[in-house]
Amino acid sequence: DTEVTQTPKHLVMGMTNKKSLKCEQHMGHRAMYWYKQKAKKPPELMFVYSYEKLSINESVPSRFSPECPNSSLLNLHLHALQPEDSALYLCASSQEGGMNSPLHFGNGTRLTVT
Amino acid sequence: QKEVEQNSGPLSVPEGAIASLNCTYSDRGSQSFFWYRQYSGKSPELIMSIYSNGDKEDGRFTAQLNKASQYVSLLIRDSQPSDSATYLCAVLNSGNTPLVFGKGTRLSVIA
Repeated sequence: DTEVTQTPKHLVMGMTNKKSLKCEQHMGHRAMYWYKQKAKKPPELMFVYSYEKLSINESVPSRFSPECPNSSLLNLHLHALQPEDSALYLCASSQEGGMNSPLHFGNGTRLTVT
Repeated sequence: QKEVEQNSGPLSVPEGAIASLNCTYSDRGSQSFFWYRQYSGKSPELIMSIYSNGDKEDGRFTAQLNKASQYVSLLIRDSQPSDSATYLCAVLNSGNTPLVFGKGTRLSVIA
């Protein structure tokens, strides 16, 4: 069982909808991440939060809006998505700083945009 | 451009054999190396980490690191059909840049 919890597990939304993905970790990690993964591809980094501040935005379109309300929570707000945004969205966390900081992934949210 | 290269496979091995998965990386400043296993439709699961040259064993898994050759490998002994998955190599350098993932090697263990 993963210590990073993502909800919902599956989400179907239309192109005009607004929805949010949620992620929670209780490992005391200070860095949290959003990744997007298409079939047969490696995870693709979207955003990194470090100590609740956005530290990396990998030129993600503005229809994806991240939010980190506190050190344990990470949200991804979705608006006006396109069908090509359909993918597995992965949240991850890691200890901040130092080199021995592997990512711990949640189970992901399977998003389908119709 | 920091790159991590893996053979995409599929790598097919018979049940009980040793599966050998390989990974090369371009950044000589890389410090930490991780292997993730990902079953189809599931999220990546950390199975091994290695930080210094040599071998690190954990059960049926052995990670091998050679920084001079910029090469890291994962050996799976007594391969089982349940080991069939995609194995992602990930590399972290000494800066504050995030993990760099390879494209993954798909392993198929044939019963």
